[in-house]
Amino acid sequence: GQQLNQSPQSMFIQEGEDVSMNCTSSSIFNTWLWYKQDPGEGPVLLIALYKAGELTSNGRLTAQFGITRKDSFLNISASIPSDVGIYFCAVPWGGATNKLIFGTGTLLAVQP
Amino acid sequence: GAVVSQHPSWVICKSGTSVKIECRSLDFQATTMFWYRQFPKQSLMLMATSNEGSKATYEQGVEKDKFLINHASLTLSTLTVTSAHPEDSSFYICSARQFYEQYFGPGTRLTVT
Repeated sequence: GQQLNQSPQSMFIQEGEDVSMNCTSSSIFNTWLWYKQDPGEGPVLLIALYKAGELTSNGRLTAQFGITRKDSFLNISASIPSDVGIYFCAVPWGGATNKLIFGTGTLLAVQP
Repeated sequence: GAVVSQHPSWVICKSGTSVKIECRSLDFQATTMFWYRQFPKQSLMLMATSNEGSKATYEQGVEKDKFLINHASLTLSTLTVTSAHPEDSSFYICSARQFYEQYFGPGTRLTVT
């Protein structure tokens, strides 16, 4: 089946540092989504990307839709302790049902 | 807006018993809801798509007779884990679709002893 590979698998950084992570696929997708999951909670949508090459920001978060449509990138600037969590990329598939495939996830730990 | 709730938030049951998990869209109607399962340190895996008024569509490898899904109204879908076993212990998350976006519930932690 479809698989989205995220890199890195985990990151341990100091507060104030910038973070970069990516998500790659062997297939082309027309929409890329980035979610954050806090421990013991459901995922929350951070950014949605709908056009190849698109760069979209949400506060300190910036995401880009790769030009090949097979990848996407998420950057977090000036990290803070509440950025801790698991970041997932996801893509819709399955036609009208809009099912989501989730990436393997990147665990972010921020040390104050 | 677009709030999804789940009940219970956690449940412990004995092996062989059945457990029902509810998923509700609180401030919108959802003709389509989704059920995911997440094992520790793993990603979310789609189990099934729940459609109001019709049978659920299960992903490959998910036993429909073990994971019973009912979507009887536009705001409620239920997942019943029948004859639960320890390997069914997991974090179950639902989502409800509004237009082209999915809104996720807070999840239900199931532990089968």
